[in-house]
Amino acid sequence: DAGVIQSPRHEVTEMGQEVTLRCKPISGHDYLFWYRQTMMRGLELLIYFNNNVPIDDSGMPEDRFSAKMPNASFSTLKIQPSEPRDSAVYFCASSLWPEANNEQFFGPGTRLTVL
Amino acid sequence: QKEVEQNSGPLSVPEGAIASLNCTYSDRGSQSFFWYRQYSGKSPELIMSIYSNGDKEDGRFTAQLNKASQYVSLLIRDSQPSDSATYLCAVPPWQAGTALIFGKGTTLSVSS
Repeated sequence: DAGVIQSPRHEVTEMGQEVTLRCKPISGHDYLFWYRQTMMRGLELLIYFNNNVPIDDSGMPEDRFSAKMPNASFSTLKIQPSEPRDSAVYFCASSLWPEANNEQFFGPGTRLTVL
Repeated sequence: QKEVEQNSGPLSVPEGAIASLNCTYSDRGSQSFFWYRQYSGKSPELIMSIYSNGDKEDGRFTAQLNKASQYVSLLIRDSQPSDSATYLCAVPPWQAGTALIFGKGTTLSVSS
Protein backbone atom coordinates (compact mmCIF):
# COMPACT_ATOMS: atom_id res chain seq x y z
CA ASP A 1 0.00 0.00 0.00
CA ALA A 2 1.22 3.51 -0.75
CA GLY A 3 0.31 4.80 2.69
CA VAL A 4 -1.65 7.96 3.35
CA ILE A 5 -1.35 10.35 0.44
CA GLN A 6 -1.67 14.10 0.79
CA SER A 7 -1.60 16.87 -1.75
CA PRO A 8 -0.24 19.36 -2.29
CA ARG A 9 2.96 18.93 -0.27
CA HIS A 10 3.54 22.66 -0.18
CA GLU A 11 1.12 25.51 -0.65
CA VAL A 12 1.88 29.21 -0.63
CA THR A 13 -1.05 31.53 -0.93
CA GLU A 14 -2.09 35.05 -0.13
CA MET A 15 -4.37 36.09 2.65
CA GLY A 16 -8.00 35.87 1.67
CA GLN A 17 -7.56 33.07 -0.83
CA GLU A 18 -9.27 29.71 -0.61
CA VAL A 19 -7.06 26.73 0.17
CA THR A 20 -8.01 23.08 -0.33
CA LEU A 21 -5.95 20.27 1.10
CA ARG A 22 -6.51 16.70 -0.03
CA CYS A 23 -6.05 13.31 1.56
CA LYS A 24 -6.35 9.70 0.47
CA PRO A 25 -6.34 7.33 3.46
CA ILE A 26 -4.98 3.80 3.50
CA SER A 27 -7.45 1.45 1.88
CA GLY A 28 -9.63 -0.30 4.44
CA HIS A 29 -9.04 2.18 7.23
CA ASP A 30 -12.28 3.34 8.84
CA TYR A 31 -11.00 6.43 10.61
CA LEU A 32 -9.53 9.56 9.10
CA PHE A 33 -8.02 12.43 11.07
CA TRP A 34 -6.96 15.95 10.16
CA TYR A 35 -4.28 17.58 12.34
CA ARG A 36 -2.50 20.90 12.33
CA GLN A 37 1.03 21.27 13.71
CA THR A 38 2.81 24.45 14.74
CA MET A 39 5.77 25.10 16.99
CA MET A 40 3.62 27.00 19.45
CA ARG A 41 0.65 24.67 19.72
CA GLY A 42 2.09 21.30 18.75
CA LEU A 43 -0.07 18.70 17.01
CA GLU A 44 -3.74 19.62 17.24
CA LEU A 45 -6.65 17.47 16.12
CA LEU A 46 -8.99 19.43 13.90
CA ILE A 47 -11.61 16.84 12.97
CA TYR A 48 -12.00 13.12 12.50
CA PHE A 49 -14.29 10.87 10.51
CA ASN A 50 -15.52 7.33 11.03
CA ASN A 51 -16.86 5.59 7.92
CA ASN A 52 -16.99 8.95 6.14
CA VAL A 53 -19.09 10.55 8.89
CA PRO A 54 -17.65 13.45 10.91
CA ILE A 55 -17.48 12.39 14.56
CA ASP A 56 -15.78 15.27 16.31
CA ASP A 57 -15.10 18.66 14.77
CA SER A 58 -14.57 20.53 18.02
CA GLY A 59 -10.98 21.23 17.04
CA MET A 60 -11.88 23.16 13.91
CA PRO A 61 -10.76 26.65 14.83
CA GLU A 62 -13.34 28.73 13.02
CA ASP A 63 -16.08 28.65 10.45
CA ARG A 64 -13.42 29.40 7.89
CA PHE A 65 -12.40 25.76 8.17
CA SER A 66 -14.48 22.95 6.70
CA ALA A 67 -13.81 19.28 5.99
CA LYS A 68 -15.57 16.69 3.91
CA MET A 69 -15.22 13.02 3.22
CA PRO A 70 -17.42 12.19 0.23
CA ASN A 71 -16.20 8.59 0.08
CA ALA A 72 -13.91 6.14 1.84
CA SER A 73 -10.89 7.06 -0.24
CA PHE A 74 -10.92 10.84 -0.25
CA SER A 75 -11.15 13.77 2.13
CA THR A 76 -10.64 17.51 1.85
CA LEU A 77 -9.88 20.26 4.32
CA LYS A 78 -10.80 23.71 3.08
CA ILE A 79 -9.87 27.09 4.48
CA GLN A 80 -11.82 30.05 3.15
CA PRO A 81 -10.69 32.78 3.49
CA SER A 82 -7.16 31.94 4.57
CA GLU A 83 -5.22 34.07 7.07
CA PRO A 84 -1.49 34.26 7.93
CA ARG A 85 -2.16 32.56 11.29
CA ASP A 86 -3.32 29.47 9.39
CA SER A 87 0.28 28.87 8.32
CA ALA A 88 1.21 25.42 9.63
CA VAL A 89 1.81 21.84 8.57
CA TYR A 90 -1.45 19.97 8.08
CA PHE A 91 -1.39 16.21 8.51
CA CYS A 92 -3.94 13.64 7.53
CA ALA A 93 -3.88 10.27 9.28
CA SER A 94 -5.92 7.08 9.08
CA SER A 95 -6.46 4.04 11.29
CA LEU A 96 -8.42 0.82 11.55
CA TRP A 97 -11.68 -0.03 13.29
CA PRO A 98 -12.63 -0.83 16.01
CA GLU A 99 -10.78 1.76 18.01
CA ALA A 100 -9.69 5.19 16.92
CA ASN A 101 -6.83 4.68 19.30
CA ASN A 102 -5.25 2.02 17.17
CA GLU A 103 -2.06 3.01 15.40
CA GLN A 104 -2.55 6.08 13.30
CA PHE A 105 -0.68 6.26 10.02
CA PHE A 106 0.23 9.77 9.04
CA GLY A 107 0.59 11.23 5.59
CA PRO A 108 3.62 13.36 4.67
CA GLY A 109 1.77 16.57 5.47
CA THR A 110 1.03 19.77 3.60
CA ARG A 111 3.10 22.79 4.54
CA LEU A 112 0.83 25.81 4.18
CA THR A 113 2.16 29.34 4.09
CA VAL A 114 -0.31 32.20 3.98
CA LEU A 115 1.28 35.53 3.13
CA GLN B 1 -9.80 19.80 29.33
CA LYS B 2 -7.77 16.63 28.88
CA GLU B 3 -4.05 17.31 28.84
CA VAL B 4 -0.83 15.53 27.99
CA GLU B 5 2.33 17.22 29.24
CA GLN B 6 5.91 16.75 28.11
CA ASN B 7 9.10 18.70 28.64
CA SER B 8 9.88 20.35 25.32
CA GLY B 9 13.63 19.91 25.72
CA PRO B 10 15.90 19.82 23.97
CA LEU B 11 17.23 16.79 25.75
CA SER B 12 20.85 16.25 24.83
CA VAL B 13 22.65 12.96 25.46
CA PRO B 14 25.94 11.52 24.19
CA GLU B 15 25.96 8.52 21.91
CA GLY B 16 25.62 5.30 23.88
CA ALA B 17 23.86 6.88 26.84
CA ILE B 18 20.32 6.26 28.05
CA ALA B 19 17.75 8.89 27.07
CA SER B 20 14.73 9.23 29.35
CA LEU B 21 11.60 10.94 28.05
CA ASN B 22 8.67 11.65 30.33
CA CYS B 23 4.98 12.31 29.92
CA THR B 24 2.13 13.01 32.33
CA TYR B 25 -1.57 12.92 31.50
CA SER B 26 -4.64 14.29 33.19
CA ASP B 27 -7.36 11.73 32.37
CA ARG B 28 -7.19 9.08 35.10
CA GLY B 29 -9.44 6.81 33.02
CA SER B 30 -7.04 6.51 30.07
CA GLN B 31 -6.14 2.91 29.35
CA SER B 32 -3.66 3.00 26.48
CA PHE B 33 -0.58 5.05 25.79
CA PHE B 34 1.53 5.65 22.72
CA TRP B 35 4.89 7.08 21.77
CA TYR B 36 5.37 8.54 18.31
CA ARG B 37 8.67 9.63 16.83
CA GLN B 38 8.89 12.56 14.43
CA TYR B 39 12.03 13.37 12.50
CA SER B 40 12.49 16.97 11.45
CA GLY B 41 10.35 17.73 8.42
CA LYS B 42 8.64 14.34 8.53
CA SER B 43 5.38 12.95 9.85
CA PRO B 44 4.92 11.16 13.20
CA GLU B 45 5.29 7.39 13.31
CA LEU B 46 4.30 5.01 16.09
CA ILE B 47 7.20 3.37 17.90
CA MET B 48 5.72 2.05 21.15
CA SER B 49 2.37 1.35 22.76
CA ILE B 50 1.70 0.28 26.34
CA TYR B 51 -1.52 -0.70 28.07
CA SER B 52 -0.55 -2.19 31.45
CA ASN B 53 1.38 -0.89 34.41
CA GLY B 54 5.04 -1.76 34.33
CA ASP B 55 7.60 -1.98 31.57
CA LYS B 56 7.38 -2.98 27.94
CA GLU B 57 10.58 -3.54 26.03
CA ASP B 58 11.14 -3.48 22.27
CA GLY B 59 14.77 -3.57 21.23
CA ARG B 60 16.52 -0.52 22.60
CA PHE B 61 13.21 1.07 23.60
CA THR B 62 11.41 0.57 26.91
CA ALA B 63 8.08 2.13 27.76
CA GLN B 64 7.17 2.45 31.42
CA LEU B 65 3.66 3.08 32.72
CA ASN B 66 2.44 4.06 36.16
CA LYS B 67 -1.31 4.66 36.04
CA ALA B 68 -1.54 5.63 39.72
CA SER B 69 0.88 8.48 39.10
CA GLN B 70 -0.54 9.16 35.60
CA TYR B 71 2.94 8.93 34.22
CA VAL B 72 4.42 7.24 31.18
CA SER B 73 8.03 7.30 30.08
CA LEU B 74 10.19 6.14 27.21
CA LEU B 75 13.76 4.97 27.74
CA ILE B 76 16.14 4.68 24.82
CA ARG B 77 19.21 2.60 25.62
CA ASP B 78 22.48 2.91 23.71
CA SER B 79 21.25 6.13 22.11
CA GLN B 80 22.34 6.68 18.53
CA PRO B 81 22.53 9.90 16.49
CA SER B 82 19.73 8.42 14.38
CA ASP B 83 17.48 8.64 17.46
CA SER B 84 17.64 12.43 17.27
CA ALA B 85 14.03 13.43 16.74
CA THR B 86 10.98 14.77 18.54
CA TYR B 87 9.10 12.20 20.60
CA LEU B 88 5.37 12.69 21.02
CA CYS B 89 3.38 11.11 23.83
CA ALA B 90 -0.24 10.33 22.87
CA VAL B 91 -3.07 9.38 25.19
CA PRO B 92 -6.73 8.74 24.40
CA PRO B 93 -9.44 9.91 26.79
CA TRP B 94 -11.28 7.09 28.51
CA GLN B 95 -14.38 7.33 26.33
CA ALA B 96 -14.31 4.71 23.62
CA GLY B 97 -14.01 6.01 20.12
CA THR B 98 -12.44 9.30 21.04
CA ALA B 99 -9.29 10.49 19.42
CA LEU B 100 -5.75 10.66 20.72
CA ILE B 101 -4.47 13.71 22.53
CA PHE B 102 -0.85 14.44 21.69
CA GLY B 103 1.70 16.15 23.90
CA LYS B 104 3.81 18.87 22.32
CA GLY B 105 6.77 16.56 22.20
CA THR B 106 10.31 16.37 23.57
CA THR B 107 13.17 17.03 21.19
CA LEU B 108 16.05 14.60 21.66
CA SER B 109 19.54 15.30 20.36
CA VAL B 110 22.13 12.52 20.45
CA SER B 111 25.68 13.66 19.86
CA SER B 112 28.36 11.41 18.43
